Amino acid sequence: AQSVTQLDSQVPVFEEAPVELRCNYSSSVSVYLFWYVQYPNQGLQLLLKYLSGSTLVKGINGFEAEFNKSQTSFHLRKPSVHISDTAEYFCAVRENFNKFYFGSGTKLNVKP
Amino acid sequence: NAGVTQTPKFRVLKTGQSMTLLCAQDMNHEYMYWYRQDPGMGLRLIHYSVGEGTTAKGEVPDGYNVSRLKKQNFLLGLESAAPSQTSVYFCASSLAWGERNTIYFGEGSWLTVV
Repeated sequence: AQSVTQLDSQVPVFEEAPVELRCNYSSSVSVYLFWYVQYPNQGLQLLLKYLSGSTLVKGINGFEAEFNKSQTSFHLRKPSVHISDTAEYFCAVRENFNKFYFGSGTKLNVKP
Repeated sequence: NAGVTQTPKFRVLKTGQSMTLLCAQDMNHEYMYWYRQDPGMGLRLIHYSVGEGTTAKGEVPDGYNVSRLKKQNFLLGLESAAPSQTSVYFCASSLAWGERNTIYFGEGSWLTVV
């Protein structure tokens, strides 16, 4: 079975600083990759996805992620964070038959 | 657009009681899922359905049952609630194929078993 590892459970960062949230997955077969964001007491919203093509994927709110097949990674980045980016971020991998596997989440805490 | 709607949003149960969480989607999605979210464990798949009248077990199915009598609805049942089932439950849905398989989530249902 697929496993998704988010290496940092919490990431504190100051406002306007850059941030990288790390995600690694286990499967070597073709996969689709996703990042979701969860604001307090809300459901998960799609931030961006990699399906094929360019390995650099741009999403909403200025986030981007880079797919690295050799390292089986899909790290999320933002060059300058805002207070409003404080949330929990989940990396997800889709394999066959629409089964999605989620990482344990990374809480991003943006400080003023 | 309603998307994925879950009811109830909050519920407190006593150990041994039963309840049903209802999920409804208006996007004509074939696939529907129930996840539970616990601190530090991310989302774990309880059960899923690939179409009306079909269900399958996910990672953590024990203590739960599901039914998909109509395409738009996916019910999650707890027959005899246990404190270990205190969690936040998320329903989700997706197309079988097309739209590149994005999964859409409901707002969550907070369940406490005392």
